Amino acid sequence: EVQLVESGGGLVQPGGSLRLSCAASGFTFSSYWMHWVRQAPGKGLVWVSRINSDGSSTSYADSVKGRFTISRDNAKNTLYLQMNSLRAEDTAVYYCARDDWNDLFFDYWGQGTLVTVSS
Amino acid sequence: EIVLTQSPGTLSLSPGERATLSCRASQSVSSSYLAWYQQKPGQAPRLLIYGASSRATGIPDRFSGSGSGTDFTLTISRLEPEDFAVYYCQQYGSSHTFGQGTKLEIK
Repeated sequence: EVQLVESGGGLVQPGGSLRLSCAASGFTFSSYWMHWVRQAPGKGLVWVSRINSDGSSTSYADSVKGRFTISRDNAKNTLYLQMNSLRAEDTAVYYCARDDWNDLFFDYWGQGTLVTVSS
Repeated sequence: EIVLTQSPGTLSLSPGERATLSCRASQSVSSSYLAWYQQKPGQAPRLLIYGASSRATGIPDRFSGSGSGTDFTLTISRLEPEDFAVYYCQQYGSSHTFGQGTKLEIK
């Protein structure tokens, strides 16, 4: 059974940093591209970032470019999102999601982790 | 960036009725790279449809997708109580963007 479990969310002050993790199991993690998608409270889904299967290629939404870094450790079956210079508008539930193939749709999602940026 | 506009914002129907949800793109979506997701309160989204019309694994056949170019539709033929949720379309032909969602509520 495919499982994606996010962790690392919490309350952080504006300008602060946080690192999210997504532990994957039930599939060959190193074969799949992965994504982060966020959802502000009461709002819709917004794609944040993606990484290819070996970590050599990444892509970001303009709203987080230069502040967030996606990475992965295939030996640990874990996806990461390093978030720096956080702003109030980054407050959201952050989901990791598995890509069905290469930069396509998202066939499995984690349960999400809440990041709150507030003083 | 391709902008997706979903309509209506809220759809009020009764169990057993047919639901038709629309997703319109600001420019043509290449190769019909359009997906639909269902999200219930407090839960992660669930993939329903990909490639505009292909059902994901385990999705009941009352869910169907259609369309191409800039106009796409998700149809639920006979609503079950568990189908009341928010539905999002997503295009993945040019980066990734989502529509703002359609809330399907019980009338």
